[in-house]
Amino acid sequence: EDQVTQSPEALRLQEGESSSLNCSYTVSGLRGLFWYRQDPGKGPEFLFTLYSAGEEKEKERLKATLTKKESFLHITAPKPEDSATYLCAVQSLTSGGGADGLTFGKGTHLIIQP
Amino acid sequence: KAGVTQTPRYLIKTRGQQVTLSCSPISGHRSVSWYQQTPGQGLQFLFEYFSETQRNKGNFPGRFSGRQFSNSRSEMNVSTLELGDSALYLCASANRASNTGELFFGEGSRLTVL
Repeated sequence: EDQVTQSPEALRLQEGESSSLNCSYTVSGLRGLFWYRQDPGKGPEFLFTLYSAGEEKEKERLKATLTKKESFLHITAPKPEDSATYLCAVQSLTSGGGADGLTFGKGTHLIIQP
Repeated sequence: KAGVTQTPRYLIKTRGQQVTLSCSPISGHRSVSWYQQTPGQGLQFLFEYFSETQRNKGNFPGRFSGRQFSNSRSEMNVSTLELGDSALYLCASANRASNTGELFFGEGSRLTVL
């Protein structure tokens, strides 16, 4: 069974204080690892897809990296508008070569204080 | 381009009743997935439909069912509601042709079971 564990559960940072969020996963065959952002009262919003160890993706102040067992979401010089819950998810390959539904972690609730 | 639309946004039911939730995907998207989100379990995959066929199913009891119509709109139904079914139900659409694994979520239908 696929499993995703995110840490920390909550993180409070000062504006400009860089940090990293962790996503540890176990999956039978990884098709992809995904990062989403969720604001209160909204559905998750897609950020990145990572497919293989060593891959990195960047978007504004966010950079996602992937190893064989975990992924990190690095936030550089965050701003208050980066406050949200960040969700990590994995998608495994089915025996037929297709893809299962996403397995999500419980998220990291990030608060950036001005 | 219009996003994913879910109706109703909020609803209250009592134990034993049934409920039907609706989802209109982004125009041109043929894949629709449903997820349940609760504070304790996080986001959990219910099922995915593509071209009116259920492709994947999560580990939920048979009381949870769904369907997809020829215009890609989807409905999910929960019969014999239990208190534990109280949750935010999220619908997500995807453009399978792009194969990025990127899901576009709606804002959800918040179900309260009394």
